[in-house]
Amino acid sequence: GQNIDQPTEMTATEGAIVQINCTYQTSGFNGLFWYQQHAGEAPTFLSYNVLDGLEEKGRFSSFLSRSKGYSYLLLKELQMKDSASYLCAVRDPDGGSQGNLIFGKGTKLSVKP
Amino acid sequence: DGGITQSPKYLFRKEGQNVTLSCEQNLNHDAMYWYRQDPGQGLRLIYYSQIVNDFQKGDIAEGYSVSREKKESFPLTVTSAQKNPTAFYLCASSIQPNTGELFFGEGSRLTVL
Repeated sequence: GQNIDQPTEMTATEGAIVQINCTYQTSGFNGLFWYQQHAGEAPTFLSYNVLDGLEEKGRFSSFLSRSKGYSYLLLKELQMKDSASYLCAVRDPDGGSQGNLIFGKGTKLSVKP
Repeated sequence: DGGITQSPKYLFRKEGQNVTLSCEQNLNHDAMYWYRQDPGQGLRLIYYSQIVNDFQKGDIAEGYSVSREKKESFPLTVTSAQKNPTAFYLCASSIQPNTGELFFGEGSRLTVL
């Protein structure tokens, strides 16, 4: 089967660092994506990992371990505008999704002053 | 500016009525997708199209229909057969099927009265 797990909610303080974890169990693997979605708006692309390791992009970094079926999104120097849901999605070329992205339920992050 | 346009943003429907949601893209992308998002759930794939005049069912296609007569357009019809149509509907596109990131429209919120 296919399953993607993320924490439902997290809270952090402005200026701090937060790590949002994502674990996945899929038949195959061809990339992991992170999206940010503000309430009532469209998801926007944050990062893409297909090889093990850390990808850094400004205040945001994403890590992947394919052997562990694990990824995290790291947000540094948190700002109030980072309050949003963060969606983890995996591309599984071998499962029933015909290679389309499979999304987790999202992690709602609240940043407090 | 290139992007994906969904309309209407908000739509109210009486039970038993069909309704069509519009999705237009000027990104010259081959693949287009329709997702449904419910509170506490991940994005679920309704239908997708990899090329003009062709489309495939996703995970929750029952009660929905689509067409892809033009590369730019991928309208979704929510029929009266859909038992729980109230949801946030997101249209997306990608350069090619099963590769790269998804670009999302702003979404259409459908409420059945």
